[in-house]
Amino acid sequence: SQQGEEDPQALSIQEGENATMNCSYKTSINNLQWYRQNSGRGLVHLILIRSNEREKHSGRLRVTLDTSKKSSSLLITASRAADTASYFCATVGGSNYKLTFGKGTLLTVNP
Amino acid sequence: EADIYQTPRYLVIGTGKKITLECSQTMGHDKMYWYQQDPGMELHLIHYSYGVNSTEKGDLSSESTVSRIRTEHFPLTLESARPSHTSQYLCASSESGLDLGELFFGEGSRLTVL
Repeated sequence: SQQGEEDPQALSIQEGENATMNCSYKTSINNLQWYRQNSGRGLVHLILIRSNEREKHSGRLRVTLDTSKKSSSLLITASRAADTASYFCATVGGSNYKLTFGKGTLLTVNP
Repeated sequence: EADIYQTPRYLVIGTGKKITLECSQTMGHDKMYWYQQDPGMELHLIHYSYGVNSTEKGDLSSESTVSRIRTEHFPLTLESARPSHTSQYLCASSESGLDLGELFFGEGSRLTVL
């Protein structure tokens, strides 16, 4: 069963704007991770946030986690055309043996 | 750059053929995974391995099989390919340890069965 669900499914913005993507999940987690996938390529890990953390930063990325609402958000600031990709959240549950992915958000950054 | 490699990147074959998708990593990771992904969709775990001679089926039922004879190598085999097997197959690995952290992905193998 699907654990992570991203929202929106697609997002189109102009270069320089901020992009926010949300992820909701259903069961308790050990950590939540965000990945990026360029069209037809493999996934690249962006950031990991543990269940006892509320916010994490990495360069232009900011991730928040609200375990009471079972949700996370990924903010990309000052977006660039090169940020165009699909973004997936993935959760590690109590069994701790696998990552469960959502359907992803397709981000298009127009130059 | 992740040191995990998949071959072939693209494969078009006829129904009934046997195929093997190769996956190799040079990071010494014990944990390896195969995910299946249809265009625009989420990834589904089909196989995973915690080390040599350890293989398990994932959440999505798959007619494929895997083997783990060497730490660095985790090939996936389809004995008789069918059009329903058309998909992208992604291999990944992660470090050992109690907590599952970052997965390192290969570039994927896109399989088309005619």
